[in-house]
Amino acid sequence: GQNIDQPTEMTATEGAIVQINCTYQTSGFNGLFWYQQHAGEAPTFLSYNVLDGLEEKGRFSSFLSRSKGYSYLLLKELQMKDSASYLCWAVDSNYQLIWGAGTKLIIKP
Amino acid sequence: GAVVSQHPSRVICKSGTSVKIECRSLDFQATTMFWYRQFPKKSLMLMATSNEGSKATYEQGVEKDKFLINHASLTLSTLTVTSAHPEDSSFYICSAINGGSSYNEQFFGPGTRLTVL
Repeated sequence: GQNIDQPTEMTATEGAIVQINCTYQTSGFNGLFWYQQHAGEAPTFLSYNVLDGLEEKGRFSSFLSRSKGYSYLLLKELQMKDSASYLCWAVDSNYQLIWGAGTKLIIKP
Repeated sequence: GAVVSQHPSRVICKSGTSVKIECRSLDFQATTMFWYRQFPKKSLMLMATSNEGSKATYEQGVEKDKFLINHASLTLSTLTVTSAHPEDSSFYICSAINGGSSYNEQFFGPGTRLTVL
């Protein structure tokens, strides 16, 4: 079957670094997305990976290993506003989105 | 990077009315657009696939007469929720594939929050 696994909740300290892992199993693969979602708001795009490797965008980086079915989102210099849910979505060969339940990230002062 | 916009971002309507949501690719030609619906605390569900100049392909369980999709040009697709009811309240999110991309890269719009009273 198709599924995504990511931790339910993580806690980190303001100014620190946190890595949110995501493993996936899909029928075919058309990329993996990381989105940020604050409660009551639409998801906000963070990154899209379709090739192996690390992509860095400011404080956020995303890594993909297709052979391992694994991705991570790395957040540096954490700020209080980074407290949100982080959604990992994989796109299968039929463009169905396979997503995890999201990781709730709690940032403490 | 490529940008997909949606309009409106939020809409509140009365039960029984129709609502149109626009999805535009701003700086690329979208050969294919997708419409998704997000339920609270649940995943995005693919509603339909829209190809420019042809009829949309609806996923099983999605009423095509209720959710009208028109992909009139390579930069615009519209979703019309006809005779909306409270159970249609949700986030509706579109995405577009850049026809010029080698990897069928998909770009998502910011979403439209529909509230039906």
